Amino acid sequence: DAGVIQSPRHEVTEMGQEVTLRCKPISGHNSLFWYRQTMMRGLELLIYFNNNVPIDDSGMPEDRFSAKMPNASFSTLKIQPSEPRDSAVYFCASSTFTAPQPQHFGDGTRLSIL
Amino acid sequence: GDSVTQMEGPVTLSEEAFLTINCTYTATGYPSLFWYVQYPGEGLQLLLKATKADDKGSNKGFEATYRKETTSFHLEKGSVQVSDSAVYFCALLRMDSSYKLIFGSGTRLLVRP
Repeated sequence: DAGVIQSPRHEVTEMGQEVTLRCKPISGHNSLFWYRQTMMRGLELLIYFNNNVPIDDSGMPEDRFSAKMPNASFSTLKIQPSEPRDSAVYFCASSTFTAPQPQHFGDGTRLSIL
Repeated sequence: GDSVTQMEGPVTLSEEAFLTINCTYTATGYPSLFWYVQYPGEGLQLLLKATKADDKGSNKGFEATYRKETTSFHLEKGSVQVSDSAVYFCALLRMDSSYKLIFGSGTRLLVRP
């Protein structure tokens, strides 16, 4: 079975540019989570969706960050404009909501803002 | 609020040594507990889980027992291998309407040949 698929795996761009990270959750999963991982702050939950609806975005650091889930099989995390301090590994995870189950993680997108 | 506390790393062991990574939690209600492992350059993988008190989760030689009386979920392995070198995360799943995962800070394990 296909796991959570994230793209791109690596992204290097200059500050001020728009960055879009993509995620395809596991088929049948109805909860989707975006995390950010840095050495300084560890794993941080940015936002999560249930049935394509954003439930809690309190972890989104600034208005420069936005996330969407237009359908059950696709989500994006956008940073506009990007800044060097946004450099991190961004993970997407999915799970089923109706029966609490562990989250399954993608391999992440390593983002470097120069 | 809910939280997870893990022992500081790195933990450095020789191959075939016994491993313990401590994890304690604070939570309302009865959360489910998990250990995730992260190998270099990869995402987090579920290692094992326990959903109620006295449950023992096990996988790949690793074990952890859900201890409600001590609010702990320590990870153990009797004989580590070099390939076990990774970062290990303890986590609890909130059993309220959010079903959010609360992670510990992670413990890096380095196993030397």
